[in-house]
Amino acid sequence: DTEVTQTPKHLVMGMTNKKSLKCEQHMGHRAMYWYKQKAKKPPELMFVYSYEKLSINESVPSRFSPECPNSSLLNLHLHALQPEDSALYLCASSRLPTSGTGETQYFGPGTRLLVL
Amino acid sequence: AQTVTQSQPEMSVQEAETVTLSCTYDTSENNYYLFWYKQPPSRQMILVIRQEAYKQQNATENRFSVNFQKAAKSFSLKISDSQLGDTAMYFCAFTNTGNQFYFGTGTSLTVIP
Repeated sequence: DTEVTQTPKHLVMGMTNKKSLKCEQHMGHRAMYWYKQKAKKPPELMFVYSYEKLSINESVPSRFSPECPNSSLLNLHLHALQPEDSALYLCASSRLPTSGTGETQYFGPGTRLLVL
Repeated sequence: AQTVTQSQPEMSVQEAETVTLSCTYDTSENNYYLFWYKQPPSRQMILVIRQEAYKQQNATENRFSVNFQKAAKSFSLKISDSQLGDTAMYFCAFTNTGNQFYFGTGTSLTVIP
């Protein structure tokens, strides 16, 4: 099973709202990722969690707050977003690279976010 | 720093024909991994094929194959017998021994009936 699930599929929020995106995988992966993707562009890395700890934060504004409550779940809390934050938010997971391996990332279907 | 370049923003191919998508990359590392991902209009990114740099043999997956030229730092994807379901954005990606991916800018492929 190589499935990564994300909820909700679509989200519309105002600039004063607080909402959360959820991601779940049951592949036993210990690395999980959040990406932001604009139309016709490649995904941009936002955060990486390794063993449920934040290992990479790509200078993302504090209005995005990630959380990894356990090895299967990844959340992205949103607060006071701007219209330019409207995008597809992708979650991915992989095994952790060991001994020089490069692990495949498996992506979820994404959450389409619109900020009004 | 690692960079990945896809020089073909858009391509089209007739159904049942063969098409090749180009990807070049730049790295000073010797051990790395290359991927092609497909993202159809329904948006889920799906792994198409993966290549380990230490393997000389080109990877193949059914109608998809790669031409990996390590010295030239080139990693092209060949799609044979193109099908309408192959219409998608295709992203070339690179990773070394860490868990960070570097993506190319993508090629939008349209299969024409």
